[in-house]
Amino acid sequence: SQELEQSPQSLIVQEGKNLTINCTSSKTLYGLYWYKQKYGEGLIFLMMLQKGGEEKSHEKITAKLDEKKQQSSLHITASQPSHAGIYLCGADRNTDKLIFGTGTRLQVFP
Amino acid sequence: GAGVSQSPSNKVTEKGKDVELRCDPISGHTALYWYRQSLGQGLEFLIYFQGNSAPDKSGLPSDRFSAERTGGSVSTLTIQRTQQEDSAVYLCASSADLYIQYFGAGTRLSVL
Repeated sequence: SQELEQSPQSLIVQEGKNLTINCTSSKTLYGLYWYKQKYGEGLIFLMMLQKGGEEKSHEKITAKLDEKKQQSSLHITASQPSHAGIYLCGADRNTDKLIFGTGTRLQVFP
Repeated sequence: GAGVSQSPSNKVTEKGKDVELRCDPISGHTALYWYRQSLGQGLEFLIYFQGNSAPDKSGLPSDRFSAERTGGSVSTLTIQRTQQEDSAVYLCASSADLYIQYFGAGTRLSVL
């Protein structure tokens, strides 16, 4: 079983709609990373969260880490086709080696 | 198991020495990626191999870094004349469909 659970696995939304992707761990996380991957490309780092309750935003993407540091959400406002791709959460358990979720495949249609 | 295997898991070296990091991808995966993660930072893409195509080396930080993939399978990342700033966890990933990447456990490199 995955140490990091992402949901949903796949998401198809209409352009302009809001959406949320979740990443959940059974253990406390020291750091939570969100990445995006487009077809055939390497991972693109989006955001890093370290403090309980922390929230960061970049353009139309907002990521939050809960107070217990076991769950993070990635929210996209007014989605665009350019947001399409695989969103991956990665977690640091203070071992200097990341573990990753299974990814969420996002498709945005006009 | 049948996952991505990296070796060694830890490597300590002296500044100026050369190091080789190895990655055994999942059998049948045509794509192979190298990343590195420095302390407190996100993943940094280094290099990408896809089948027999010329590798995408756009992420290599300097000419001290090179990588090979022999027979479309095993890959070796070589760092020449290591510097302290090279200290990081080096992650390898492989993929069958260019979407989902399966990562190895990483090699932790410490340059003293």
